[in-house]
Amino acid sequence: GAGVSQSPSNKVTEKGKDVELRCDPISGHTALYWYRQSLGQGLEFLIYFQGNSAPDKSGLPSDRFSAERTGGSVSTLTIQRTQQEDSAVYLCASSPSLAGGSYEQYFGPGTRLTVT
Amino acid sequence: AQTVTQSQPEMSVQEAETVTLSCTYDTSENNYYLFWYKQPPSRQMILVIRQEAYKQQNATENRFSVNFQKAAKSFSLKISDSQLGDTAMYFCAFMKHRGTYKYIFGTGTRLKVLA
Repeated sequence: GAGVSQSPSNKVTEKGKDVELRCDPISGHTALYWYRQSLGQGLEFLIYFQGNSAPDKSGLPSDRFSAERTGGSVSTLTIQRTQQEDSAVYLCASSPSLAGGSYEQYFGPGTRLTVT
Repeated sequence: AQTVTQSQPEMSVQEAETVTLSCTYDTSENNYYLFWYKQPPSRQMILVIRQEAYKQQNATENRFSVNFQKAAKSFSLKISDSQLGDTAMYFCAFMKHRGTYKYIFGTGTRLKVLA
């Protein structure tokens, strides 16, 4: 079946503009995660959604970052008033039910965001 | 708070040889999960191997095996018979068994397999 998809694959934007990054998880996966990967760095957790529970937003770096997940499927990560330090690859991952599962995360190819 | 440390930013190994990547972590939890993920140059991350902390037996997946030392909080990855396709970034990750299902990732080790 289809894996996790993300769009766009690349995004170049001017400082101060808003951007939206989209993630389509694997069908039936109840958990969805967003990460940020800066050059030479590991994965920085941003937010995760699990079913109908309130999302864990503890990794969002500022109030310019927000995310939503509609209908328990597609998710959008929005960055308002982008700054140059927001330049990074944004990765999305989904996982089957986290209750007694394998906890394996399936990653998308990422969106490379460049803020000029 | 949990932390994951990968102290080897880059490593190289000759094809067909064996290489070990190091990972240490810090936690006060007793039950948790540890993972190694591989990110090839094409960027898409995939799971290599997983270890449940309550299992004493080290996990093995074909040429990949781990050395899990719970008391030392060490979780190293051994790749046997290295292949050119093993060239990638390798990330170690930790997840608590209860409460939040948030992963904590290390900074990664870039492995290059030489022909």
